[in-house]
Amino acid sequence: ETGVTQTPRHLVMGMTNKKSLKCEQHLGHNAMYWYKQSAKKPLELMFVYSLEERVENNSVPSRFSPECPNSSHLFLHLHTLQPEDSALYLCASSQDGPVEGETQYFGPGTRLLVL
Amino acid sequence: AQSVAQPEDQVNVAEGNPLTVKCTYSVSGNPYLFWYVQYPNRGLQFLLKYITGDNLVKGSYGFEAEFNKSQTSFHLKKPSALVSDSALYFCAVRDDSGAGSYQLTFGKGTKLSVIP
Repeated sequence: ETGVTQTPRHLVMGMTNKKSLKCEQHLGHNAMYWYKQSAKKPLELMFVYSLEERVENNSVPSRFSPECPNSSHLFLHLHTLQPEDSALYLCASSQDGPVEGETQYFGPGTRLLVL
Repeated sequence: AQSVAQPEDQVNVAEGNPLTVKCTYSVSGNPYLFWYVQYPNRGLQFLLKYITGDNLVKGSYGFEAEFNKSQTSFHLKKPSALVSDSALYFCAVRDDSGAGSYQLTFGKGTKLSVIP
């Protein structure tokens, strides 16, 4: 689990705040992902980056803005969030892109509460 | 379209007894199937996957899963449950036909409780 790290682990923010979530993978992988995990719902894929290029954006509201400056780092910039955005945000990485039988490895997540 | 179902929200089993966590799937082509486990306040940990070949897949911590194409199932099993196995288990599927693009579709999860 230490292969993918996320900071902060917990975050409380108001609806007018701007904050960023950080993910770092130490596995030498080429693809990174953001997922949202809400109670009683399946994991929702938000964004996929392969070789630092965004390859998927699953109809995520613009108040979530991803950034992938290099293959080891992934950010999720947050602004003007809503209370329903409160969730566990998980970062994952995989070796050779989001294809076929590639295994995704997850970080511990950031627990976000929007007040 | 691809989908996965975990029909049981919760499974209770006595320590030392065998456990089964059920998963069924639906894909257009052939499936790639995964099991993950999540402990409280932690991320998902990879347990095992089926790509091709032997229908019985062995994974971490003594877990195994059996791929059954005719029943479109991929149930997770362990011969003897430990209290430390208590966690949330997720089944996931990706379609090899490309219909699901990059999506790895997860089930809603099954909470496993192992009773001492």
